[in-house]
Amino acid sequence: EVQLVESGGALVQPGGSLRISCAASGFTFSDHYMDWVRQAPGKGLEWVGHIGHKADSYTTYYAASVKGRFTVSRDDSENSVYLQMNSLKTEDTAVYFCVRDSMYGARDYWGQGTLVTVSS
Amino acid sequence: DIVMTQTPLSLSVTPGQPASISCKSSQPLLSSDGKTLFYWYLQKPGQPPQLLIYEVSKRFSGVPDRFSGSGSGTDFTLKISRVEAEDVGVYYCMHALHFPLTFGGGTKVEIK
Repeated sequence: EVQLVESGGALVQPGGSLRISCAASGFTFSDHYMDWVRQAPGKGLEWVGHIGHKADSYTTYYAASVKGRFTVSRDDSENSVYLQMNSLKTEDTAVYFCVRDSMYGARDYWGQGTLVTVSS
Repeated sequence: DIVMTQTPLSLSVTPGQPASISCKSSQPLLSSDGKTLFYWYLQKPGQPPQLLIYEVSKRFSGVPDRFSGSGSGTDFTLKISRVEAEDVGVYYCMHALHFPLTFGGGTKVEIK
């Protein structure tokens, strides 16, 4: 069974930093691209970032709203993907979902999400 | 960026009746390998989104056959042949043609 479990969400002050994690199981993690998608309270879905796998040198892509502040990384030995968030703003407050890329474009499995609140 | 526009914003449906949701993309979603990279998701209350339909019309594993997807180019439709109580939630369309991935604004489906 594919499982994605996010952790590390917290209350952070504006300008602060936070790293959230996603532990994967039930599939060959190293074969899959991974994404982060967020959802602000009561709002829709916003794609945040993407990381490829070893064959494409772990290429990353980011939404314009987070580029230069957020970094996606992965550790295939730990079956984990991470989102390092710096210079956090109040508008970054959201539930952050870890999402698997099926390798045919579909983001097919989502974690339950972790809440990041940016507030003073 | 590709803009995904969903209509309607909300639907109230009697159980057993059909429902239809439309999504339009600001540009065609046909990839170089001939696939149309368009998807439908359902987010039930308090849950993460779940994949319903991929590549316009293919049902994901475990998705009931009352859900069907159609369309091409820039116009896509999700149909539920007979709505059931468990189908309530917010439906989102999404493209994966290139980055950034973008989602429609969502269509909230309620039961009358």
